[in-house]
Amino acid sequence: GIQVEQSPPDLILQEGANSTLRCNFSDSVNNLQWFHQNPWGQLINLFYIPSGTKQNGRLSATTVATERYSLLYISSSQTTDSGVYFCAVEPRMDSSYKLIFGSGTRLLVRP
Amino acid sequence: GAGVSQSPSNKVTEKGKDVELRCDPISGHTALYWYRQSLGQGLEFLIYFQGNSAPDKSGLPSDRFSAERTGGSVSTLTIQRTQQEDSAVYLCASSSPLGLATRGPLETQYFGPGTRLLVL
Repeated sequence: GIQVEQSPPDLILQEGANSTLRCNFSDSVNNLQWFHQNPWGQLINLFYIPSGTKQNGRLSATTVATERYSLLYISSSQTTDSGVYFCAVEPRMDSSYKLIFGSGTRLLVRP
Repeated sequence: GAGVSQSPSNKVTEKGKDVELRCDPISGHTALYWYRQSLGQGLEFLIYFQGNSAPDKSGLPSDRFSAERTGGSVSTLTIQRTQQEDSAVYLCASSSPLGLATRGPLETQYFGPGTRLLVL
């Protein structure tokens, strides 16, 4: 089945710093979503981005489908950005919409 | 409702007991999904519903796990004869896809807060 790899696994930032999180996937996809799991466990949608570039405030994401990777950019990080960031993909060869998740990047932003 | 809701929030049970977990999807969403997140791990797909039918049950780990959906809305995940390895957070998601031939943002999956299950 499809493999989804996220890097780095852990990241510590000082408040105000910028960061880039990466998601590599091993096969073509129909859907790619980025999520933020907050310290209370809630999964929050960040982007639906199977291809192209999107921006939402301090966050932006780019997916290059032909090269099978996606990047999530966090600018001017804040302590509330702490948590785990997941990339999830729907394999193109699959006939359901199920998402396959990477193992996540755990981010800690220090004040 | 405004989002996906799940109940109970927390469930502690004894090994061998049966448990039922409930999911209320976003109103109007036709697709519903169950996932499981074990401690410190990523999310693992369990089952997908389109309406009341389940075209993809490939993630259910054993025949002790079953799920149903009624009225195209509420879903129940049942775990029979629970084992300690069933301890995890069970997450439900919903979406409103247009169909496999028409892909787009309506496929975005929205997640509920989860049910934390502890089997003693």
